[in-house]
Amino acid sequence: EPEVTQTPSHQVTQMGQEVILRCVPISNHLYFYWYRQILGQKVEFLVSFYNNEISEKSEIFDDQFSVERPDGSNFTLKIRSTKLEDSAMYFCAILGTPQETQYFGPGTRLLVL
Amino acid sequence: GEDVEQSLFLSVREGDSSVINCTYTDSSSTYLYWYKQEPGAGLQLLTYIFSNMDMKQDQRLTVLLNKKDKHLSLRIADTQTGDSAIYFCAENQGAGGFQKLVFGTGTRLLVSP
Repeated sequence: EPEVTQTPSHQVTQMGQEVILRCVPISNHLYFYWYRQILGQKVEFLVSFYNNEISEKSEIFDDQFSVERPDGSNFTLKIRSTKLEDSAMYFCAILGTPQETQYFGPGTRLLVL
Repeated sequence: GEDVEQSLFLSVREGDSSVINCTYTDSSSTYLYWYKQEPGAGLQLLTYIFSNMDMKQDQRLTVLLNKKDKHLSLRIADTQTGDSAIYFCAENQGAGGFQKLVFGTGTRLLVSP
């Protein structure tokens, strides 16, 4: 099973601040995904990323969100100006084998005050 | 849009079998998945089934798929207290890396000694 790490594990921020969440796959991968899970709710798709481009994004992924792979290894999710409702667990996932399976990182718990 | 539906809660005694049910929405999904989430933790891929299969067995886990009714179930034999967790079914929409997972609402399994 592919390994994925995420940093930080927890982040507390003030409303309006920018946050950057990081995802580090242990080996090279081409397809990346971000999902979020608001406390007590189901996991929701945010965005998929392939070959340094967004391939699909959900309605949740508005202009406040952006993704990039700055150094060819880390994969980041940036929230430019956080809102209270951005408080959630954010999961990164990578595509494993067989090619239709996604493996998730441990998540970053974001709390916006 | 339509939701992937699951019953919210299941309680069993240690040693019994557990059956968690899911109704999915996209008849073109090629794979269906079961993920396990322990408290405060990430999403662990338990098993998956290809859509042209009716059943898949993997040690204590048995997945049944009724494609006509879009019904998926996960049976855990000889349930242990360590199986207590939230179980999510998920369908993939799209193909290959250009896919996203749509998750169910989650079933909280409680196993009592």
